[in-house]
Order: sequence, then structure tokens, then C-alpha cells
Amino acid sequence: DSGVTQTPKHLITATGQRVTLRCSPRSGDLSVYWYQQSLDQGLQFLIQYYNGEERAKGNILERFSAQQFPDLHSELNLSSLELGDSALYFCASSPRTMNTEAFFGQGTRLTVV
Amino acid sequence: QKEVEQDPGPLSVPEGAIVSLNCTYSNSAFQYFMWYRQYSRKGPELLMYTYSSGNKEDGRFTAQVDKSSKYISLFIRDSQPSDSATYLCAFRPTDSWGKLQFGAGTQVVVTP
Repeated sequence: DSGVTQTPKHLITATGQRVTLRCSPRSGDLSVYWYQQSLDQGLQFLIQYYNGEERAKGNILERFSAQQFPDLHSELNLSSLELGDSALYFCASSPRTMNTEAFFGQGTRLTVV
Repeated sequence: QKEVEQDPGPLSVPEGAIVSLNCTYSNSAFQYFMWYRQYSRKGPELLMYTYSSGNKEDGRFTAQVDKSSKYISLFIRDSQPSDSATYLCAFRPTDSWGKLQFGAGTQVVVTP
């Protein structure tokens, strides 16, 4: 167990809908990262927050947004969902801004039908 | 050309054999090198990381980095069926706050 908790584990929703994925980092970790893993694209970095502030952005779609709250948990919001958004979404955390040792959660499997 | 190339496998080896995995990269800014292990339907787990050329050992695992050739390797000695997983190489440049660039992953199957 990495100490990173993601909910829900599975999510099935229809196209056009909006969902929120939640992540609780390891105790004491200030950085949270979101990754998307699909069969054709592999593991892709989406966005990073450090102590509530956005620090790095990857190939995150405009339909997606994230935030980190004062208690350091993070949420990833996905809207206007398309079939191609079906993937595993991972959250990772680390103590500092530099992601050298990041600890991943178990992921949320999103299926858009 | 992709920034990171990793053979997806599958790589099948008998129990007790040495598993040899490698990745090539093209971005000279990559200065931190990592290997993650991912079991089916689980999150990636950090196995090893290094930032210098040469070898680094941790138990049955050895990570090797050759910056001049832009090539990294992971060796698993005395492989066990429990080592069956997907192994992902990952890279971080010095100028990046947090973005890791992952390889596609190599699926390894260790047969008893």
C-alpha cells in the first residue's frame, strides 16, 4: 500500500457527463500529480499541484481541470466526457515539488459508454 | 521520433533467469532515471531511481545508465514468478517541476 488513496475505484458514465475523481496523498506529501493511462497512449502526465498551487501542466485537455484543497487532497474534474476518455487515472504524491520519488495510488478506472 | 522508446514485450523467461530490460531516450535534458513496476490493475510502484551514469544495485535489481548513449537498463537476477509485471522506465528533466516521461512499459512473464 503506497499510502495514496483514490476514490472511486471504478466509474462508469455516459458520454457528455461530468465526473470528479478524488485523491488523498500520503501523509505529509505536498505534491500531487495526475496521470492518465490508456492502452494506446501509455502513462501520460496531466497536471501537478504543490501545496495548493498548480506547478506543472502536461497534455491536459481543456475539458479537464483539477485543484488541490487546503487539506492537500486533490480532485480531477472531467467534463463533456467522450468515449476516448476511458482510461485509468492515477494520482501520485511526493514530499516535494520534484517528482523523483512519486508514490502512486491504485487508480480510478473510468469507462465512458 | 518518440522521446522514450521501450519494447512492449511480452518478455517470457524461466524462473531463476536474468531479466534484462532497456529503454532509449532522445531528450538530453533528462537527468533523473527511474524504473517502476506495475502489476495488473494496480498503480506503478517505484523500484529504483538514479541520476548518474553507471550501475546502481538494490537486492536482485540493478539499474544501469549510459548518458552518452542515452540508454538505461534494468536487470533482475534470480527472477521469480512474483516478478511477472509490466516494467516502466521513467525520466525527468532538470527543468521540470514534476513531469515524468514514461516509456510504454515492457510486460515480463516469469514461468515456474
